[in-house]
Amino acid sequence: GENVEQHPSTLSVQEGDSAVIKCTYSDSASNYFPWYKQELGKRPQLIIDIRSNVGEKKDQRIAVTLNKTAKHFSLHITETQPEDSAVYFCAASPAVDNYGQNFVFGPGTRLSVLP
Amino acid sequence: ETGVTQTPRHLVMGMTNKKSLKCEQHLGHNAMYWYKQSAKKPLELMFVYSLEERVENNSVPSRFSPECPNSSHLFLHLHTLQPEDSALYLCASSQDMGLAYEQYFGPGTRLTVT
Repeated sequence: GENVEQHPSTLSVQEGDSAVIKCTYSDSASNYFPWYKQELGKRPQLIIDIRSNVGEKKDQRIAVTLNKTAKHFSLHITETQPEDSAVYFCAASPAVDNYGQNFVFGPGTRLSVLP
Repeated sequence: ETGVTQTPRHLVMGMTNKKSLKCEQHLGHNAMYWYKQSAKKPLELMFVYSLEERVENNSVPSRFSPECPNSSHLFLHLHTLQPEDSALYLCASSQDMGLAYEQYFGPGTRLTVT
């Protein structure tokens, strides 16, 4: 089955700097890669996603890149702010079978933005 | 946010108790999910329901028993749990399965097994 690895497990950056979180996946048939942000004590929320037919996607200060050949994808946050502090989860969605897909999540990265 | 709600938010139970977690979604979605989130572990998918039919059971012990009476409600019945079952249990829903629809998470139930 699919296996998703995520690095680093913790990341501290100064406010205004950029943060990059990387994930690798094992199933070459995975075709959808969402990123979730989970603030302390709150539910995970989707912040950006990318499909396998796209190499890069941007939404304001957040961008995601996908390298299908290498089977890795990355989250880029520019001009970080204290409210970006949270745990970020990447996920990969294996190929659709008769019933559909489910997500396999990475272990998470705890991002701390220092003022 | 009221899209996906879960009750109770906190639950403490003994190993011999029987309890149930409830999830309700007000988004008109057709698919619902149970996840387990424990300290230092990723989100682990437990069960998936699509149109009230269970389509995924990821080797979850039988002491966890899901129920989906309709597309808006999802339950997780618990009995004879172990201390290692203490975790945050998250419910999620999505418009459908078969395509990569966004999953909307509920706030979770923090379960402690004593």
